[in-house]
This record gives sequence, structure tokens and C-alpha cells, in this order.
Amino acid sequence: DAGVIQSPRHEVTEMGQEVTLRCKPISGHDYLFWYRQTMMRGLELLIYFNNNVPIDDSGMPEDRFSAKMPNASFSTLKIQPSEPRDSAVYFCASSRDPKGGELFFGEGSRLTVL
Amino acid sequence: DQQVKQNSPSLSVQEGRISILNCDYTNSMFDYFLWYKKYPAEGPTFLISISSIKDKNEDGRFTVFLNKSAKHLSLHIVPSQPGDSAVYFCAAVSYNTDKLIFGTGTRLQVFP
Repeated sequence: DAGVIQSPRHEVTEMGQEVTLRCKPISGHDYLFWYRQTMMRGLELLIYFNNNVPIDDSGMPEDRFSAKMPNASFSTLKIQPSEPRDSAVYFCASSRDPKGGELFFGEGSRLTVL
Repeated sequence: DQQVKQNSPSLSVQEGRISILNCDYTNSMFDYFLWYKKYPAEGPTFLISISSIKDKNEDGRFTVFLNKSAKHLSLHIVPSQPGDSAVYFCAAVSYNTDKLIFGTGTRLQVFP
């Protein structure tokens, strides 16, 4: 079975442009998480969904960030407008049971905002 | 407010020796703890976990210890191998949410 699929793997854009990151979770996983990895904060939880419904978006840094999950097999994280400080690796992860602990991560999307 | 802290950004250990990675947490509601391992250009992968009702969990070369009174956990790797070189993230989840909170990570390098 395919793992979590993220696209694009790499994105280089200019400040002010809109960025859309995409994620396809593992089939049958009810939970989907978006994390951002930076040197200073490690893996920072941005938002997570359960059964396509956003449960906690308290980690979303600003109104410039938004996330959607229109169906069980697709989610997007959008940054508009992007800023240089948004440069990071963004990970999507899915899980059947976060309480059991195991999240399955995608390979990440490396974003560079110039 | 970093609820899960890994104060050592890096650790270097000789092959065959023990690697000890440490993690501290502040939220007393955390009841399940995990370690993830991350290689460059890959997503993190689950390594080992421990429930708060235990103080030790062992899986092959990997052992996680939990000291609830000190709000501290550690990962022991014995013996360390060059293939263990990676970034290790400590994570925690509390009983009343599904949020997995990660630390900042520790880069382990195992040299021959």
C-alpha cells in the first residue's frame, strides 16, 4: 500500500506569492496532521483533521495559513501571501489512532521563499 | 512554550557504545510518549513508545525509560550502529486530545 504522498517535494517561490502544498493520506486513516519542521522549533503541529473535519488549528501561525480537507483522500495547506520566514519543510502525516501513537509521515515538502 | 524539550541538539557516539538521548516535558497531562527517527530527505518514522503506566519499554537494541516524577524520558540504543545516525524526535500526547507534540530533535552521529 502506498504511504502518505506529498507534493511538491520542493518549492521555490518569491515573497508574496501563493503556495499550495498537497497531501494524500493513507487509505483508511481517519486522522491527518500538518507539521512544519524548523531548526528552532523542531516539528511544530500546525493543524489536524479527524474525518475531514479540522479539530485543532491553534498551531497555524497566522491568517496567511489555511488548510482544507475536502475529502478523505486529499488535503491542502495554503500560504497566501508567502514570506521568507515561512521557509521550512512541511510534513503531512496520517494515522488510524493517534492515541496508539503511530503517525505515518510523508517525505515532506521543502519550501523556500525568496 | 515548548512543551517537549530536547536540550541536546547533537550527540556523537562511537560504534558499539551506548547512545542516550534525553527528553523533558512540562505538561503533566501527557500520558503516552514516543520516539521517531528521521533520515535526511525522508519523513520521520516511528521507533518506540511507552505508556505513562510503565517506566520502561524495550525493543531489541532500543529501550525507552520514563520518569514521571521528573517529567523526563530517555532513549537508549545499545549497541549503537552507524545506521542509527539520524535525527531523533521525542513526542508526547495527552489523554484528552489526539495531538502529538514533538520536541526539537537530537542529531545522533555514530562513528566507526
